[in-house]
Amino acid sequence: NAGVTQTPKFQVLKTGQSMTLQCAQDMNHEYMSWYRQDPGMGLRLIHYSVGAGITDQGEVPNGYNVSRSTTEDFPLRLLSAAPSQTSVYFCASSLSSPGSPIYEQYFGPGTRLTVT
Amino acid sequence: AQSVAQPEDQVNVAEGNPLTVKCTYSVSGNPYLFWYVQYPNRGLQFLLKYITGDNLVKGSYGFEAEFNKSQTSFHLKKPSALVSDSALYFCAVRPRSSNTGKLIFGQGTTLQVKP
Repeated sequence: NAGVTQTPKFQVLKTGQSMTLQCAQDMNHEYMSWYRQDPGMGLRLIHYSVGAGITDQGEVPNGYNVSRSTTEDFPLRLLSAAPSQTSVYFCASSLSSPGSPIYEQYFGPGTRLTVT
Repeated sequence: AQSVAQPEDQVNVAEGNPLTVKCTYSVSGNPYLFWYVQYPNRGLQFLLKYITGDNLVKGSYGFEAEFNKSQTSFHLKKPSALVSDSALYFCAVRPRSSNTGKLIFGQGTTLQVKP
């Protein structure tokens, strides 16, 4: 298993540009999520999905869109990049779903995004 | 509001000495508790979790954590630190009432183990 993969590893955008961060997992996990990591703030949840076709907002969703057309993929779209979106973005997946045992989340290697 | 606190930004310990990384939480009910470790330029790796049962949980790389319900704490411990343990450690909780996999993270504690 490749686990959770993310592309690209690094990206520099200009203010106003849009882009998609890719995330894929090959573990047949139902739950997938996107976090951003900023110094001194831990990880903050942007969006999450409990299965294909189902997404919901986390605590910092503004400026980001997601979709989940397949179990494997969970792309994160930045609609109009802003300097405040400069961060490291992590995708994670887990078997956890309503009624299931509690499983840990598996994290991708991250995408370091700079918006100038 | 639900939150997780890691009161120390950095913990310094000499190799071979015991280490403790502190975590307290403010979440209703009895949440599920996790510790993750992040090495430089890497994603987070799972260390251990508390679901139910024995308050002392053993995890990867010789780490363990002690759940204390009355103090709402879940401190990470290791009897003898290694230089290779130097990394960023995150405590996370998942509310038991949540029907999703959402985690609430602390801000992280940098562990520095010196030879």
